[in-house]
Amino acid sequence: DAKTTQPTSMDCAEGRAANLPCNHSTISGNEYVYWYRQIHSQGPQYIIHGLKNNETNEMASLIITEDRKSSTLILPHATLRDTAVYYCIVRVRGYGGSQGNLIFGKGTKLSVKP
Amino acid sequence: SAVISQKPSRDICQRGTSLTIQCQVDSQVTMMFWYRQQPGQSLTLIATANQGSEATYESGFVIDKFPISRPNLTFSTLTVSNMSPEDSSIYLCSVTSGGGETQYFGPGTRLLVL
Repeated sequence: DAKTTQPTSMDCAEGRAANLPCNHSTISGNEYVYWYRQIHSQGPQYIIHGLKNNETNEMASLIITEDRKSSTLILPHATLRDTAVYYCIVRVRGYGGSQGNLIFGKGTKLSVKP
Repeated sequence: SAVISQKPSRDICQRGTSLTIQCQVDSQVTMMFWYRQQPGQSLTLIATANQGSEATYESGFVIDKFPISRPNLTFSTLTVSNMSPEDSSIYLCSVTSGGGETQYFGPGTRLLVL
């Protein structure tokens, strides 16, 4: 079973920041928080990941609480092309095996509206 | 990041037949995975394709139904055998790169079984 809890759906106005929350209260010390998104009928796209520090890249920012029990993915200026299902996943870093693979939950369906 | 291609991109098959899906990566990778995404559902891991040894299957998936080959570090195949309409899904190849820290996905193969 997925170790994360996300809202089923969210709306965001185009040009505004989209803040997607994720709860992972049972996260272990060696587990990373990963975010992926899946635009309709495409393969999942990697967005960002982090362990305990906040992270930022060209796509998004990841804010992880100090106790690591929750995180927020921030898309600073959402566009219509950001409409997708966003998955928050916790995973042990490292090579293969069931322990290291991504286990997908149901994710959050983000709808960016004009 | 790794660039992953899959063939075919989509197919319509008759029940009782088999289809082999190919996954090609543009660089050598240690771990390759096969996922299934049934209509309206999230992704489910089928198996880990190990180079030089038998694939490791997840609970509910068996080698007779989903035989996998991994002849080298850049290529793998998944066969969906004796297909039924319940096998209609998107099948996705995935690899780990960058020391196993990040996992990337191919575009998927959309299979419809009539």
